[in-house]
Amino acid sequence: GEKVEQHESTLSVREGDSAVINCTYTDTASSYFPWYKQEAGKSLHFVIDIRSNVDRKQSQRLIVLLDKKAKRFSLHITATQPEDSAIYFCAASMTNSGTYQRFGTGTKLQVVP
Amino acid sequence: EAAVTQSPRSKVAVTGGKVTLSCHQTNNHDYMYWYRQDTGHGLRLIHYSYVADSTEKGDIPDGYKASRPSQENFSLILELASLSQTAVYFCASRGTGQDTQYFGPGTRLLVL
Repeated sequence: GEKVEQHESTLSVREGDSAVINCTYTDTASSYFPWYKQEAGKSLHFVIDIRSNVDRKQSQRLIVLLDKKAKRFSLHITATQPEDSAIYFCAASMTNSGTYQRFGTGTKLQVVP
Repeated sequence: EAAVTQSPRSKVAVTGGKVTLSCHQTNNHDYMYWYRQDTGHGLRLIHYSYVADSTEKGDIPDGYKASRPSQENFSLILELASLSQTAVYFCASRGTGQDTQYFGPGTRLLVL
């Protein structure tokens, strides 16, 4: 089955700098790659996704890049702010199917002033 | 905004005891999921369901049972709780034809 690896377990950046979180996946059939954010003591919520028909997607300060050849996708957070501090999870699945999303192990991002 | 609620929010159980975690969604979603979160493991899927009265095994179903008596409700049952089942449990729902999952607030389970 699909395996998703999230390479950075922790990441610390200065406020205003960019943060990059990298994930790889194994199943070439995966075509949907969402990112979820978990703030301290809270649940997860969706922040951005990318589908395999594009290689870049941006939503305000969040950019997701997808390299299908390398089976790698990444979340870029530009102009980081303290409220970006959280655990970020990547996931992978086939779209609109009966399968489910496999999650990475999470990256704890700390934005320091 | 989609709404998924879980009860209880936290629980202390004894080893060998029975534990039932409940999840309720008002999103009219067909798919519901139970995950456990452990440090270093991220989220791992235990059971899921795409229709009432039917459940499917996820990646780590051993030691857990699930029940989906209605579209809105999905329970996770630990018949004989063990120390290794101490974790935070999240329920999520997803609509058919949609990809985004909506998570509940989580249940913190401590098995002693």
